Amino acid sequence: TQLLEQSPQFLSIQEGENLTVYCNSSSVFSSLQWYRQEPGEGPVLLVTVVTGGEVKKLKRLTFQFGDARKDSSLHITAAQPGDTGLYLCAGAKAGNQFYFGTGTSLTVIP
Amino acid sequence: DSGVTQTPKHLITATGQRVTLRCSPRSGDLSVYWYQQSLDQGLQFLIQYYNGEERAKGNILERFSAQQFPDLHSELNLSSLELGDSALYFCASSVASSGRAHEQFFGPGTRLTVL
Repeated sequence: TQLLEQSPQFLSIQEGENLTVYCNSSSVFSSLQWYRQEPGEGPVLLVTVVTGGEVKKLKRLTFQFGDARKDSSLHITAAQPGDTGLYLCAGAKAGNQFYFGTGTSLTVIP
Repeated sequence: DSGVTQTPKHLITATGQRVTLRCSPRSGDLSVYWYQQSLDQGLQFLIQYYNGEERAKGNILERFSAQQFPDLHSELNLSSLELGDSALYFCASSVASSGRAHEQFFGPGTRLTVL
């Protein structure tokens, strides 16, 4: 089993809709990042959250780190076709161990 | 463009062979990470180097090895290749070795096909 579980695994929505992706674990992380990956390319860092309860906004994307630093969410408002991609959360633990989530594949239909 | 370069972009080889993948980190980054991504396993952390020294190990097979050179570029060596080793291999770099940030910048990847 993966240390970081993402849900949903696949998401297909119409342009203009809102969506939320979840990243859950039973472990505590010192920091958590969200990446977006397009087919055949490397993941691109979107944001890092460090403090429990922290909320960060990046244009139409809102990221939240859980109070206990075990989970995170990504909310996209008014999704656009350019948001299509694989969204990955990743957490860092003590001892330099780094774990990626299972991924959420998002398709936004024009 | 992340500033991380990987070569080659594609590699096709046969079972039992050995290959070397190369990565140059972003200017100023001391940490290099290697990942394997396959369709059924997702993105798996293999190993991390910081300023030439191994810093963390993930799910790296004994047939695989890596090193980071004084100029900070890194190589991932895969030997006795099996069909199941076919995957995308990514290198990432970051400034920090430890601490809370671990923000990584990924290269474009090397697609390895083992026939």
